[in-house]
Amino acid sequence: EVQLVESGGGVVQPGGSLRLSCAASGFPFSSYSLNWVRQAPGKGLEWVSYIGYSSRAVHYADSVKGRFTISRDNAKNSLYLQMNSLRDEDTAVYYCARDRSGATVVTPMDYWGQGTLVTVSS
Amino acid sequence: SYVLTQPPSVSVAPGKTARITCGGNKIGSENVHWYQQKPGQAPVLVIYFDSDRPSGIPERFSGSNSGNTATLTISRVEAGDEADYYCQVWDSSSDHRVFGGGTKLTVL
Repeated sequence: EVQLVESGGGVVQPGGSLRLSCAASGFPFSSYSLNWVRQAPGKGLEWVSYIGYSSRAVHYADSVKGRFTISRDNAKNSLYLQMNSLRDEDTAVYYCARDRSGATVVTPMDYWGQGTLVTVSS
Repeated sequence: SYVLTQPPSVSVAPGKTARITCGGNKIGSENVHWYQQKPGQAPVLVIYFDSDRPSGIPERFSGSNSGNTATLTISRVEAGDEADYYCQVWDSSSDHRVFGGGTKLTVL
């Protein structure tokens, strides 16, 4: 059974940093591309970042580019999101989501974790 | 970047057909995916590549895509279908994944 479990959320002050983790199991982790998607309270889904199965390809939403860094450790079956210079508008539930295929970026995200809440507040 | 436009809400009586649209410039040339999200839960993929259904998704869910509009159709709507629905594409011009704003489906 495919499982994605996020952790690392919490309350942080504006300008602060936080590192999210996503532990994966139930599938060959190193063969799949992964994403972070967030959802602000009462709002819609917003894609944040993508990383290819080999880490060679990474992409970021304009709203986080230069502040967030996505990475993965295929030996540990883990995905990460380093978030720096956090702003109030980064407050959201952050989901880890797997691509259905590692071979193309037009593929959907077929498995999602339950999310971890990040609150940016002074 | 690419913009996807969804109606904020759609209402339908039980047993009837719900159609949720997703508008975008020449979206018929894109690969559209649809997600269902119930309150307090993670999104679930219900339609991918315009009209394919993942295993476990009822045949009542179907999709189409042509011109400037993609459509998610839910036949014989049930109370359990009440949820937010999001369309999504990959925007190759910006290398971004893009979501529509979401549509709240209310079962009357």
